[in-house]
Amino acid sequence: TQLLEQSPQFLSIQEGENLTVYCNSSSVFSSLQWYRQEPGEGPVLLVTVVTGGEVKKLKRLTFQFGDARKDSSLHITAAQPGDTGLYLCAGVIPGANSKLTFGKGITLSVRP
Amino acid sequence: DAGVTQSPTHLIKTRGQQVTLRCSPKSGHDTVSWYQQALGQGPQFIFQYYEEEERQRGNFPDRFSGHQFPNYSSELNVNALLLGDSALYLCASSLVSVNTEAFFGQGTRLTVV
Repeated sequence: TQLLEQSPQFLSIQEGENLTVYCNSSSVFSSLQWYRQEPGEGPVLLVTVVTGGEVKKLKRLTFQFGDARKDSSLHITAAQPGDTGLYLCAGVIPGANSKLTFGKGITLSVRP
Repeated sequence: DAGVTQSPTHLIKTRGQQVTLRCSPKSGHDTVSWYQQALGQGPQFIFQYYEEEERQRGNFPDRFSGHQFPNYSSELNVNALLLGDSALYLCASSLVSVNTEAFFGQGTRLTVV
């Protein structure tokens, strides 16, 4: 059983479209991080959310942490081909000393 | 300011052999964690080192072992390699605190044939 479920697993959209993807769990996390990973490379940290209900924006990306700190969403406005990649969410369970539990990731393809 | 660096970037080994992977953490970081990422999967936690000791361990067999040096760099050793050990091995560095951010290296692609 996967602790963090990400959906959808695959997404292919046209440049300029908006999209929202999700990261859900039945467990509470002390923090949650989103990463983007290119093929053959390590994950690159996009954002860390800590407080329930917190919203953070990174240019065209908007991240939200659920009120109960069990889930998160990522919204991309006007997607561009450069947004293509694997989006991973990872949570830290309280007391786990920065050990990250990852979801399987969402493969996003943005067509020009 | 150098980020997390890993070596080598690619490695091919034969079943039964042993391998050592290396990681230098981001400047100022004192904690190193290792992850295994199989194709099409998210990274899986192997173990974490702080103050030269293993602090936490994931669900990996004893064939996986590690070490942290006084300069905070770290090694991951895998003995008696199996075909299923083929994966991208990622090192992440962080500061010892709750809710801290982890920064990843580019990974070592290990192929076992």
